[in-house]
Amino acid sequence: EIVMTQSPATLSVSPGERATLSCRASQSVNSRLAWYQQKPGQAPRLLIYGASTRATGIPARFSGSGSGTEFTLTISSLQSEDFAVYYCQQYKNWPQYTFGQGTKLEIK
Amino acid sequence: EVQLVQSGAEVKKPGESLKISCKASGYTFTNYWIGWVRQMPGKGLEWVAIIYPDDSDTRYSPSFQGQVTISADNSISTAYLQWSSLKASDTAMYYCARQNGDPFFDYWGQGTLVTVSS
Repeated sequence: EIVMTQSPATLSVSPGERATLSCRASQSVNSRLAWYQQKPGQAPRLLIYGASTRATGIPARFSGSGSGTEFTLTISSLQSEDFAVYYCQQYKNWPQYTFGQGTKLEIK
Repeated sequence: EVQLVQSGAEVKKPGESLKISCKASGYTFTNYWIGWVRQMPGKGLEWVAIIYPDDSDTRYSPSFQGQVTISADNSISTAYLQWSSLKASDTAMYYCARQNGDPFFDYWGQGTLVTVSS
C-alpha cells in the first residue's frame, strides 16, 4: 500500500496570505495525485488532478506542483471560503487509492 | 450537469442489514466507474469499493473486502453499497463518487450518514 503523509496537520494563515500544504508518498506515484477540499458538513470537492491541473471551475489562486513522492498545494491569497480541510490522494496504484490524513487550514 | 444524489441518513442496530443508494444523472452511467468512500466521525477519507456498471466489474479495498457489497442497477442509473450484518464500527458518513477517465474522483454525492447503535 502506498502511504500518503500530509503536513502540517493544521496550518494557521491570515486571509490574503499564501498557504503551502505538503503531501508525501511512500513511493513514487509519478504525477498521479489529486487534491480535494472539504468544508464542514460538505462532501469533498476535486481541486487538482495530475498533480498540477486545476479541475473545472477552480480559481487560479489554487495551484499544485510536484511529482514522484513530493507534492505541494499552494493557495496564493487566502479567501474566507478557502478555510477547510485539504486531502491529497494517489491514484497510481489503481484501484488501491489512498488518501492523506488531511491538513486543516484555519484562520489565524 | 453531473449529479450524484444519495439516500437519506440511516439508524440501525448491530447485526441488521442495510443498503444505501446513489442515483446518478447528467452522464452515461455505464461509461464511468463509480465508488464509495467512508469518512468516520472526525476522521479522513478511506476508499471502500468501486464498480464499472457496464460489466459489473467490482474492486474492493482490502480493508473492506467481505464486509460490504457494491452493486449497480443500470436501468435506474443507481449504485448501491450494502451490509449484511452491521457493526458499531460501520458508523460513518459514506460518499459515492464518480471516477473520471483518469482514476480520480471528479463528482461526489452529498453523503449518507450511517449510525449503528444498540
